Amino acid sequence: SQKIEQNSEALNIQEGKTATLTCNYTNYSPAYLQWYRQDPGRGPVFLLLIRENEKEKRKERLKVTFDTTLKQSLFHITASQPADSATYLCALEEGSARQLTFGSGTQLTVLP
Amino acid sequence: ETGVTQTPRHLVMGMTNKKSLKCEQHLGHNAMYWYKQSAKKPLELMFVYSLEERVENNSVPSRFSPECPNSSHLFLHLHTLQPEDSALYLCASSQDAWGIQPQHFGDGTRLSIL
Repeated sequence: SQKIEQNSEALNIQEGKTATLTCNYTNYSPAYLQWYRQDPGRGPVFLLLIRENEKEKRKERLKVTFDTTLKQSLFHITASQPADSATYLCALEEGSARQLTFGSGTQLTVLP
Repeated sequence: ETGVTQTPRHLVMGMTNKKSLKCEQHLGHNAMYWYKQSAKKPLELMFVYSLEERVENNSVPSRFSPECPNSSHLFLHLHTLQPEDSALYLCASSQDAWGIQPQHFGDGTRLSIL
C-alpha cells in the first residue's frame, strides 16, 4: 500500500514569509494528489488538487507542485499570515479502489 | 458551513452502551464516507457508500455498523466499543465514490469511551 510522509509534524515561520510543506510517497505515482487544511476541532477542508500531468497549480497565495520523478508534492503559502496557522494534509489515491489515503499532516504556525 | 452536518459533536459512552452517530449532507452528492482520526495518526477510511450501497469496508471491527438509508444520510451504529475506539469520527461526501472529486467533511463527533 501507499506510504505517505509529510515533512515534519510542526513548522513555525514568521508572518510574511513563504511556508513550504512537503508530501512524499513511496510506491506507485498516483494520478492526482489533493491538499486539505484542518483547523482544531474541525473537519478537513479541500484546498487544491493537482494531476500527475500538471507540474504546478496555483490558487491565490497557494501553490502546489507535483514531481512524479521525486515522488513528491510541495505546498507553498506565500506572504503567510497568522490565519494560515492550521494542520495541512496531503492525500492521494490508493490502488485499484481509488480511495484517498491521507498523510498525518504538518501543523503550521505563522508567528506574528 | 461545509454542507455536511454531524451529530452529536461530542459523545461519552461506556463500553457496553449502544449509540449512533449521524451525518447529513446537503450537497446532492452520491458518495458518503466514515473516517476515524486518532491523535497524531492519519485519517483512516472506515466505510464508503455510493448511491446507498456499501462499496468499501476497510477491515473495520463489527462493533461498528454503518447504515445509509438514502444518499443524504449516513449513520454509524456503535456497540460494545473499546477504549482504543476513542477518536474523532469524521463523515465526508463527494460527488461520486470513484474519481478525483474533492471530499467535503463534517466537523466530526469526538467520541470518548470510558
